[in-house]
Amino acid sequence: GESVGLHLPTLSVQEGDNSIINCAYSNSASDYFIWYKQESGKGPQFIIDIRSNMDKRQGQRVTVLLNKTVKHLSLQIAATQPGDSAVYFCAAPPAAGGKLIFGQGTELSVKP
Amino acid sequence: ETGVTQTPRHLVMGMTNKKSLKCEQHLGHNAMYWYKQSAKKPLELMFVYNFKEQTENNSVPSRFSPECPNSSHLFLHLHTLQPEDSALYLCASSQGDAEAFFGQGTRLTVV
Repeated sequence: GESVGLHLPTLSVQEGDNSIINCAYSNSASDYFIWYKQESGKGPQFIIDIRSNMDKRQGQRVTVLLNKTVKHLSLQIAATQPGDSAVYFCAAPPAAGGKLIFGQGTELSVKP
Repeated sequence: ETGVTQTPRHLVMGMTNKKSLKCEQHLGHNAMYWYKQSAKKPLELMFVYNFKEQTENNSVPSRFSPECPNSSHLFLHLHTLQPEDSALYLCASSQGDAEAFFGQGTRLTVV
């Protein structure tokens, strides 16, 4: 079946450095991808999304890159701050439509 | 504050108890969802409601019983749960297939 997976379960970066969180998906027909951030004790929060007709989208300090050739998605966080420490999930809809499939999440730790 | 409110935030129940989780959304969305989040596992979709009608049930055991009286409220009734049902239960809402907004979750412990 379809799957969405993150490459690393944990990532540790120094405050001020850039962070890159990667995600692979299996369904080449997926046309919409979302990144969520989940802080400890909270539900997931929408960060940024991207449609398959784009290969890059920028938000405030975040950039999502989409490579449809290799079915790879990445989230880049510029100048990572302690408040960015959280678990990050990528999500995509399954081939038959319906609701989002979530990856397992990457836990980002920011060292001061 | 995401506009999706879940109560209670924490719940401890015995295997013979009956309890209910409540979710309320103030966003005017037409779809509501229950997800289960266990440690070290991806979020698992349990139920989907569109315009108060259940449109998905992902092979969830009958000891979990959802109820959606209107587009703003969603309940998850629990009875005779097992310890392995202990998890974070997340409610979400969306407008159609747009991004979902999540509540804070209910941390459930079954003893």
